[in-house]
Amino acid sequence: AQSVAQPEDQVNVAEGNPLTVKCTYSVSGNPYLFWYVQYPNRGLQFLLKYITGDNLVKGSYGFEAEFNKSQTSFHLKKPSALVSDSALYFCAVRAHTGGFKTIFGAGTRLFVKA
Amino acid sequence: EAGVAQSPRYKIIEKRQSVAFWCNPISGHATLYWYQQILGQGPKLLIQFQNNGVVDDSQLPKDRFSAERLKGVDSTLKIQPAKLEDSAVYLCASSPSGGTPSTDTQYFGPGTRLTVL
Repeated sequence: AQSVAQPEDQVNVAEGNPLTVKCTYSVSGNPYLFWYVQYPNRGLQFLLKYITGDNLVKGSYGFEAEFNKSQTSFHLKKPSALVSDSALYFCAVRAHTGGFKTIFGAGTRLFVKA
Repeated sequence: EAGVAQSPRYKIIEKRQSVAFWCNPISGHATLYWYQQILGQGPKLLIQFQNNGVVDDSQLPKDRFSAERLKGVDSTLKIQPAKLEDSAVYLCASSPSGGTPSTDTQYFGPGTRLTVL
């Protein structure tokens, strides 16, 4: 079955330090992978996606993610965190299993301390 | 470009009452999605429309939930009767085409927060 795991409920990082939010997936076939961010009382905002090609994907607000097929991972990264990056981050996968339904992880809360 | 619009933003009802949510997708987007997001969880797809046809409603509790998109534009999601466990944020999203396989990005509205007492 298709699934997404975000192993950390919360990630804490100091402003200016690099951040990583982890995501692993389980699908049959080639996955399409997405990251979204959710601010309080707002809907999800698209950050970036991997469809095919270069394993390193660059997205909005300085975020990037690396697709690793052997480790079935798609970790979100940013070289220098900002306090304004504090939010809830969701990884999602879409693949042939389940009729191309998008499956979301449970989310990881990122807290950036000034 | 206007985003996905949803109303109301908040709704509080008693159990066994009915409620309806409205969504207007981004202009020209063929595919519309309704998700349920329970506190502490990721969004779960309830139903997906492509134009005015249902593509996937496998996770929609059809005994109490219904949805329609009659003219292939805006959509309504209804719950009747509501249960306590329906308390959640209901998110509407749209995407340009939604063909299978779809690489489209989904664009989300602000959501409707439903509290069932």
